[in-house]
Amino acid sequence: DTGVSQDPRHKITKRGQNVTFRCDPISEHNRLYWYRQTLGQGPEFLTYFQNEAQLEKSRLLSDRFSAERPKGSFSTLEIQRTEQGDSAMYLCASSPRGPEQYFGPGTRLTVT
Amino acid sequence: AQRVTQPEKLLSVFKGAPVELKCNYSYSGSPELFWYVQYSRQRLQLLLRHISRESIKGFTADLNKGETSFHLKKPFAQEEDSAMYYCALSGSRDDKIIFGKGTRLHILP
Repeated sequence: DTGVSQDPRHKITKRGQNVTFRCDPISEHNRLYWYRQTLGQGPEFLTYFQNEAQLEKSRLLSDRFSAERPKGSFSTLEIQRTEQGDSAMYLCASSPRGPEQYFGPGTRLTVT
Repeated sequence: AQRVTQPEKLLSVFKGAPVELKCNYSYSGSPELFWYVQYSRQRLQLLLRHISRESIKGFTADLNKGETSFHLKKPFAQEEDSAMYYCALSGSRDDKIIFGKGTRLHILP
């Protein structure tokens, strides 16, 4: 499968714990996006990378969230001191250029 | 404010009947409009974009700048059309996408 992959697909954690998610984009895509989707909502933009540079962060991305894309390949999204409100589906998407984006299957986070 | 509004959470349509999923947007400028679809247990995928003016799986959408609408239409619904549909726009240089809340389309046999 040469599409966008995300790992893990599901994560259950206790409040206060740290979690890290990984996204592997389509190999030739230099743009990578993170979105968050909660129940009954469409995906909401979190942050965007062009190659290894993080060019924009949403106000949704609090200080507890950090994202990296070392070497412009895979990306990680870390949430520190998780809260119940962080429970959501975290989606990664990649794009070669322009706005057409290819989405991964998502990581479902449940904070208990 | 940049916003995409899909007024219907759920739309139930009989097989063979016409389908129209409504979408209105608010954006200062000239955005690009999309419809994304998510079938059961599958990932979100692009259905169509307004600049390509294609018909995909029998669906079409016309951008009406005067009414700021981008409604999705299909003349004859099929059972395999049952899915979650998201209207979306992109207009900024970083091409981030702003999604509506989605409409669940349920095709009745």
